[in-house]
Parts: sequence; C-alpha cells; structure tokens
Amino acid sequence: EPEVTQTPSHQVTQMGQEVILRCVPISNHLYFYWYRQILGQKVEFLVSFYNNEISEKSEIFDDQFSVERPDGSNFTLKIRSTKLEDSAMYFCASSEQAGNPYGYTFGSGTRLTVV
Amino acid sequence: AQSVAQPEDQVNVAEGNPLTVKCTYSVSGNPYLFWYVQYPNRGLQFLLKYITGDNLVKGSYGFEAEFNKSQTSFHLKKPSALVSDSALYFCAVKGWDTGFQKLVFGTGTRLLVSP
Repeated sequence: EPEVTQTPSHQVTQMGQEVILRCVPISNHLYFYWYRQILGQKVEFLVSFYNNEISEKSEIFDDQFSVERPDGSNFTLKIRSTKLEDSAMYFCASSEQAGNPYGYTFGSGTRLTVV
Repeated sequence: AQSVAQPEDQVNVAEGNPLTVKCTYSVSGNPYLFWYVQYPNRGLQFLLKYITGDNLVKGSYGFEAEFNKSQTSFHLKKPSALVSDSALYFCAVKGWDTGFQKLVFGTGTRLLVSP
C-alpha cells in the first residue's frame, strides 16, 4: 500500500536554529498538507499546498514557516528560527483530490524537539 | 465554525467486550467524517470515513462507525475489543464552512483495553 514517508523521525534542534522537515507524498497525489500535534493536544492544521502554491493556511502558519516542493517529489516544511513552543509532532499528508470524498494519507510524523 | 468534540479523554474496556468511542461534530452543510488511530510513536492511521450513503460505515480492524445526523454524532464502535486496539483515537471532520481542504480534529480519546 502506498505510503507517505517523513524524515527524520526525530529531530532535536537549538532554539533559534532553522529546521527542515521532509516528506515524500504518494506519487500520484496532488494535494499536500502539514499538521502538527503538540504533546498531549489535538492535531492542528498548518497548511495545504497545491499546484506549487499554498492554497490554505492557519493562523499558526506565520512568517517563520514556509513550504515548498523543490523537486517534484519531496514536500518540505521549513521553520526559520525555532522557538520552544514549536516542539511538536509534525505530520505530512497527501491526497488525490481536495474534494470532500477523499481522505488523506498521513505520514508517521517527525517529532521536533526544540531545546 | 466547524468543530469536533470527543467528550471522553479515556475509555476503558475489557478484552472481548464491545467498545464505543464517542464523537460529535458541528459543521454547516454536509459533514465528511473520519476516524484515525495513533499507536505510540506512530503516525495517524486511517480507520474509516463517512461521505454519503449508509449510516453505518465499516472500516479497518473490525471497527465501524454510525453516522447520526439528528444527533450530529459519529461514534466509533467495535463488537469485541482486543488488547491491541489500545491506542489514541481521533475523530475528524471536513466541511465547507471553514476551509475547503483542512481536516478539523477532536482532542482524541485514549482507548485502554485490559486483558
């Protein structure tokens, strides 16, 4: 069964450093997403991406965050200057279509720890 | 605004007994409802979804969920629980009123199945 792959599984970084979280979506999917889950809290939407541009973003997704699809297969989330409160599990997801009948396939997540 | 409520932080059930994990939702228009499961240190795994049609939806690992429009509920059920079902369960909804693409998650319910 096709999978969404995320690397690394766990990353520790110092406050103020830049981090890039990587995702390889399912190959024929066109819509890509990042969600995050702060420990013990609910899963929150960050951003959706289609046709090489952001299609929707939440209030969490401020100027410190950016996404790109640099080579047609990878989908990355960059945090420019990490803060302690960015510590969370970050999930990438992809879907064939944005339409409501279609759910997402989630990756296994990257646990980001900012120290 | 669309929202999901999972009123129980934890559900305890003995192996072999039926289980129910509750979920209620609020959206304008037709809801598209999902259940995901998260095992420790793992990503979100899709269990089942309701888009349209029969109110009883069957999914992975013997789970099913019943859509009840009048009660705005989508409770997850399984006739006979297994110890291996112990995990964190998330209900999620997509609707048209706040964002075409994003999933809104509940806070999660931890299911603990005792031997």
